[in-house]
Amino acid sequence: QVQLVQSGGEVKKPGASVKVSCKASGYTFVSHVISWVRQAPGQGLEWMGWISNYNGNTNYAQKFQGRVTMTTDTSTSTAYMELSSLRPDDTAVYFCARIRQQWYSNGAFDIWGQGTMVTVSS
Amino acid sequence: EVVLTQSPGTLSLSPGEGATLSCRASQSVSSRYLAWYQQKRGQAPRLLIYDASIRATGIPDRFSGSGSGTDFTLTISRLEPEDFAVYFCQQYGNSPNSFGQGTKLEI
Repeated sequence: QVQLVQSGGEVKKPGASVKVSCKASGYTFVSHVISWVRQAPGQGLEWMGWISNYNGNTNYAQKFQGRVTMTTDTSTSTAYMELSSLRPDDTAVYFCARIRQQWYSNGAFDIWGQGTMVTVSS
Repeated sequence: EVVLTQSPGTLSLSPGEGATLSCRASQSVSSRYLAWYQQKRGQAPRLLIYDASIRATGIPDRFSGSGSGTDFTLTISRLEPEDFAVYFCQQYGNSPNSFGQGTKLEI
């Protein structure tokens, strides 16, 4: 079935970096853009950006510009999100999500990964 | 950035009743590019409605979406026990994407 499976939880110290993976299966990986969304404990959803798995184009939310890097490996159908210079307020569950419509970078998110908890603490 | 304001913050209802959730945008949402998601505790969000009124695959017809411009509504008729959760709206017509703060639907 169509699914996105993310890597496991991480604990990081302030100033460190974290890299979360998102492995796709059950569909043609390159035909759908992947977005990343985070959710701080007890809070709402925050869009971080997207990556085209076809050509590697990215679009990052201004808030994360300079700190986030999204990449893709088509040989393993895996997308990655790396966040650097971590702060305690980066503590959140990080989700990858597939944009529903093929070849579009704008759209609703129809398939979600299970989420990866990233804890930033000294 | 388009700010989405959801109301009410919490809605207390009983199974069998109907629910109306509101999502208001700070500016017009392009092409009715608005979605609704359901999220249960400890789970990822689930897409219910996209393009303001189209039900996603497998979503029961008791869920319906409507609206355009700046005012959108998610209606749930005949609440089932599994419908009690948090609901988010999202606009994807204007960059950057943005989400509402959520409405908690509780028994």
